[in-house]
Amino acid sequence: DIQMTQSPSSLSASVGDRVTITCRASQSIRTYLNWYQQKPGKAPKLLIYAASSLQSGVPSRFSGGGSGTDFTLTISSLQPEDFATYYCQQSYSSPGFGGGTKVEIK
Amino acid sequence: QVQLQESGPGLVKPSETLSLTCTVSGGSISSYYWSWIRQPPGKGLEWVGYIYYSGSTNYKPSLKSRVTISLDTSKNQFSLKLSSVTAADTAVYYCARRVVAAGSYYFDYWGQGALVTVSS
Repeated sequence: DIQMTQSPSSLSASVGDRVTITCRASQSIRTYLNWYQQKPGKAPKLLIYAASSLQSGVPSRFSGGGSGTDFTLTISSLQPEDFATYYCQQSYSSPGFGGGTKVEIK
Repeated sequence: QVQLQESGPGLVKPSETLSLTCTVSGGSISSYYWSWIRQPPGKGLEWVGYIYYSGSTNYKPSLKSRVTISLDTSKNQFSLKLSSVTAADTAVYYCARRVVAAGSYYFDYWGQGALVTVSS
């Protein structure tokens, strides 16, 4: 199994801040990496696929980067609706998710 | 717009079989991969398995002996059966569509989720 490790597990930030979340794979997964946003009581929502491709309808303040084992999700200017939990997911082999990063209001 | 909706019992007794159905609307099930993903209360996401429209399946290895996913194209539905459940199987179960595109694979449409509690 490929292990996915996200950091930090939680963070506090203010509206307008630039936020970066990191995801590390236990082996190279090339660019088979996706990012999801989940709000309480709701299903996850796809934000980024193939490491850096923005899903249709997702605001451009979200961006993804990386390849191999190290990946990032960046929110360029945090908005009130962005407070949520974010998950990375590898699709190189049988799907697996990171443990999540909860973004809270400072 | 594709929509997915889970249905099934919200309470299952230990050692029994959990059964859920996902109904797909707004698109045909006769394409793509159709998946189940679960989330224990307060915890992260865990992929359970998926079925291709052709009928081929892939399950999480640690669940493989207990999981069956099947497809009913006439009803545009797919189903999950998880046998010999314990309290550890208590979770919100999501159905989702898995897409192969742009050289990658990802879950683009999700159901709202169904909470299944395992308790006597």
